[in-house]
Amino acid sequence: DAGVIQSPRHEVTEMGQEVTLRCKPISGHNSLFWYRQTMMRGLELLIYFNNNVPIDDSGMPEDRFSAKMPNASFSTLKIQPSEPRDSAVYFCASSLRAGDTEAFFGQGTRLTVV
Amino acid sequence: QQQVKQSPQSLIVQKGGISIINCAYENTAFDYFPWYQQFPGKGPALLIAIRPDVSEKKEGRFTISFNKSAKQFSLHIMDSQPGDSATYFCAATYTGFQKLVFGTGTRLLVSP
Repeated sequence: DAGVIQSPRHEVTEMGQEVTLRCKPISGHNSLFWYRQTMMRGLELLIYFNNNVPIDDSGMPEDRFSAKMPNASFSTLKIQPSEPRDSAVYFCASSLRAGDTEAFFGQGTRLTVV
Repeated sequence: QQQVKQSPQSLIVQKGGISIINCAYENTAFDYFPWYQQFPGKGPALLIAIRPDVSEKKEGRFTISFNKSAKQFSLHIMDSQPGDSATYFCAATYTGFQKLVFGTGTRLLVSP
């Protein structure tokens, strides 16, 4: 099992540009989570999906952030337009089913907005 | 009320020593308390977890102590090794909630 796969691992972009982060959850997992990690705020849950349906996006900081899960094996987190304060490590995680307590994390995407 | 407070922010322990990280919570609905370990450049990974029906859980050198009345739980790493150097996050959730509420993390350095 390859685990949760995220791409790219690193992204440097200029302020105002659109950024798309990608995630492939573990095969057979039905829940997917997007987290953001910063020194100041730690690990924050942005949004999560059950069976490809967004359940709770209350952690999404602003309308500039959007997430989709078109199928069970792929999700994207998009920031448009990006700002320097969006610089962080973004993690995708998946769990086997809704209500499961263990989440399996990907290696993260380090985003730098200059 | 959904917060989990973690301390210390950083910790330096000599090889062979005991590392202790503490967490406190307010929401009495929480019924699952995991600890995640994160190495540089990697995502967090589940290390050990406890439910409030027991006061202690041990897995190898790692022990969770849980005090329900005080709403506190802690991670003890016995015989700490340089390979344990990582950031440790406590978390909490409750059945059906599905969200993990993470503490702010503790950066542990075990000196050789």
